[in-house]
Amino acid sequence: RKEVEQDPGPFNVPEGATVAFNCTYSNSASQSFFWYRQDCRKEPKLLMSVYSSGNEDGRFTAQLNRASQYISLLIRDSKLSDSATYLCVSCPERETNTGANSKLTFGKGITLSVRP
Amino acid sequence: AAGVIQSPRHLIKEKRETATLKCYPIPRHDTVYWYQQGPGQDPQFLISFYEKMQSDKGSIPDRFSAQQFSDYHSELNMSSLELGDSALYFCARNGRLQGRVTEAFFGQGTRLTVV
Repeated sequence: RKEVEQDPGPFNVPEGATVAFNCTYSNSASQSFFWYRQDCRKEPKLLMSVYSSGNEDGRFTAQLNRASQYISLLIRDSKLSDSATYLCVSCPERETNTGANSKLTFGKGITLSVRP
Repeated sequence: AAGVIQSPRHLIKEKRETATLKCYPIPRHDTVYWYQQGPGQDPQFLISFYEKMQSDKGSIPDRFSAQQFSDYHSELNMSSLELGDSALYFCARNGRLQGRVTEAFFGQGTRLTVV
């Protein structure tokens, strides 16, 4: 079983639609969570960090449920420019004396296509 | 601005050849990560370095090796290339605030094609 599982896609929605992505993680030690966006043949770019209380940035809302070990991303009023792959990412936030950081674990990604 | 420079952007090699991918975190950063992303796949963690020492290891084949140099740039060396090694290879550095990971900055990647 993958450490981070995402809803299977792809999603094809009309402009203006609201779409929600869900993601579950199996490593209870994971402490930091992110949603990344990746356009075709490009590098992943941070969309949102997911905080324990949930957070909102314009049309995007991210939520974290530690008890159920899932993360969600809600996109309201979809735009054509939202078409991309959305990756759910976890990180075992590890603080050590050396200050070494932890690797990111990615979900498989969900492809969103927004049509006119 | 913080980021990562990778070179080359594109690389075509034949089977059984070797390849070297380079990564330059900006500004110089103590930790770098390498990821491999096959077609239609999510990025898979290969290896990471902290202060020039290997800090973590993922699904990196024995044919691959990597290191971080004194100027903090990193190189991924790939030998005996196979067709299945064709992928996008990303290098990343983390941002952190008071020990907490804030986000990862990815380079634009090197697209390796093995023919």
